[in-house]
Amino acid sequence: AQKVTQAQTEISVVEKEDVTLDCVYETRDTTYYLFWYKQPPSGELVFLIRRNSFDEQNEISGRYSWNFQKSTSSFNFTITASQVVDSAVYFCALSELTGTASKLTFGTGTRLQVTL
Amino acid sequence: DAGVTQSPTHLIKTRGQQVTLRCSPKSGHDTVSWYQQALGQGPQFIFQYYEEEERQRGNFPDRFSGHQFPNYSSELNVNALLLGDSALYLCASSLYATSTDTQYFGPGTRLTVL
Repeated sequence: AQKVTQAQTEISVVEKEDVTLDCVYETRDTTYYLFWYKQPPSGELVFLIRRNSFDEQNEISGRYSWNFQKSTSSFNFTITASQVVDSAVYFCALSELTGTASKLTFGTGTRLQVTL
Repeated sequence: DAGVTQSPTHLIKTRGQQVTLRCSPKSGHDTVSWYQQALGQGPQFIFQYYEEEERQRGNFPDRFSGHQFPNYSSELNVNALLLGDSALYLCASSLYATSTDTQYFGPGTRLTVL
């Protein structure tokens, strides 16, 4: 069975600090996708990024960057120069393609609190 | 471009009652998935619908059932409500059930069972 572990329950930083959210996953699939979603207090899950298991090229998008390491089954997410608006719960998720369907397995989330 | 919409926003029911939640997928999407998110937890997969059929089901009892309509919208029904069914119910839509297309989520329906 697939599993996603987000060991950090809650992180508090001061605005403009850099912060890294950790994600470790388990899967027997050779082809899979990893995702990061952000859940602000409103409750809606907002899609941030998707990576496939064949693409270990790390990416930077504005203040966000992602580090995917297949050898350690990790998919970490970094926010540079954090802002108060980044405060939210962040979920790492792993896709599983089962027959004619696909489902996401989520971690338990990391609550990020950014203060002034 | 309309995103995923869900109704109602909030719902309060008592134990033993039945509830129906509704979801309209993002424009152009044909696959709908439902997730249950208990307080402080990550979303848990309930089931996925494509071409009006349930394609995959998570570890949820038969009290949870669903339906997909020809216009791709979907309903989630929960019978014989238990206190433990209190949660945020999230609907997600995607383009193909047979791919790992990104799932886009709606704002959710918060169900409280008293």
